[in-house]
Amino acid sequence: EDKVVQSPLSLVVHEGDTVTLNCSYEVTNFRSLLWYKQEKKAPTFLFMLTSSGIEKKSGRLSSILDKKELFSILNITATQTGDSAVYLCAGSGNAGGTSYGKLTFGQGTILTVHP
Amino acid sequence: NAGVTQTPKFQVLKTGQSMTLQCAQDMNHEYMSWYRQDPGMGLRLIHYSVGAGITDQGEVPNGYNVSRSTTEDFPLRLLSAAPSQTSVYFCASSRERTGGGYTFGSGTRLTVV
Repeated sequence: EDKVVQSPLSLVVHEGDTVTLNCSYEVTNFRSLLWYKQEKKAPTFLFMLTSSGIEKKSGRLSSILDKKELFSILNITATQTGDSAVYLCAGSGNAGGTSYGKLTFGQGTILTVHP
Repeated sequence: NAGVTQTPKFQVLKTGQSMTLQCAQDMNHEYMSWYRQDPGMGLRLIHYSVGAGITDQGEVPNGYNVSRSTTEDFPLRLLSAAPSQTSVYFCASSRERTGGGYTFGSGTRLTVV
């Protein structure tokens, strides 16, 4: 059974701090690792990582994948109150013969950024 | 606006009732999925579809049925609602075979009493 575990489950920081969110995975026929941000409603896509050691960046957010150790991290620098959200990590694998990227999500990390 | 549309946004059901959660996307995406989200458990896959006429079970399929007669629509049916099905339901679609870049609907909050 595929499994994705995130840590910490919750984190409280002050504006300007840098945070690192962790995601470890065990996914059959692994294809990619995805990060989503969820504020109140639907998750919104942040990054998809398929290659080990290649950092993806978008503004203050960056993420990297280690396929040997089966984990990924999401870094947020100079945090702002608008970064407060649940951050979800998901592993995509090949669900048997359907060649479909079935997503297995972690529990999420609740990030709270205080002014 | 392009995207994934879910209806209704809120629903209260009595135990034993049946209902259909609607999901439609206008991005011509092949891949569509239904997830449920419960506190502390992330999102769990209920059913998914890789194209019109093709569906398969996810992690927690019991009590739910799906069909995919068109590319655009992927309804989720609750056959006989139970309190354990109280949850927030998300429909998602993707063009990617890897499951990347999923677009999620805004969710349906379902309460079964």
